[in-house]
Amino acid sequence: QSVLTQPPSVSGAPGQRVTISCTGSSSNIGAGYDVHWYQHLPGTAPKFLIFDNSNRPSGVPDRFSGSKSGTSASLAITGLQAEDEADYYCQSYDSRLIGWVFGGGTKLTVL
Amino acid sequence: QVQLQESGPGLVKPSETLSLTCTVSGGSITYYYWSWIRQPPGKALDWIGHIYYSGSTKYNPSLKSRVTISVDTSKNQFSLKLSSVTAADTAVYYCARSPSSTWADYWGQGALVTVSS
Repeated sequence: QSVLTQPPSVSGAPGQRVTISCTGSSSNIGAGYDVHWYQHLPGTAPKFLIFDNSNRPSGVPDRFSGSKSGTSASLAITGLQAEDEADYYCQSYDSRLIGWVFGGGTKLTVL
Repeated sequence: QVQLQESGPGLVKPSETLSLTCTVSGGSITYYYWSWIRQPPGKALDWIGHIYYSGSTKYNPSLKSRVTISVDTSKNQFSLKLSSVTAADTAVYYCARSPSSTWADYWGQGALVTVSS
């Protein structure tokens, strides 16, 4: 069981918008620690998508956006494309566990 | 473009020590943190720890008694040793670069390590 909770799966048709939630607690997201997001295709290197809740590294399309409120964060993907089909993970810091914590991952299926 | 590549044995016997090396190319190992993260089959990502290029380390408390991360700046490499392994340590092990110590921007493709006799 992961410290950060994500839905196991989401889906959407090409062109649509989907959101992936990441719910934490008072010792991580709720304590003010930033949330970061990664995209992962099994067998490949995870790709860095969002850092510090809502910032995109250079090269990441603006179709990807992040937000944070209270003890939760969200990743939104607009204009869904087939290439977006992957696993998505949120990550933060936990003051009780004294280290990085990850969500369980969400599998995005593009219908 | 920075690239990271994990290397090491894919099979380790129970109670022995798992050893992996990450080779960094396309950039210098200096002025960054360097992390190890693993993913057991069917489970979430699990942070193992990181090292600053100068040698200071921080480990996951749940693994701290068994983990050693070291860096060799002359070879642009850093390494992971995990002692007294059990089947629960079977996982894909990733190395990654962490500019701020709080997130990782470049990752390796991962190395599957199986603990079995």
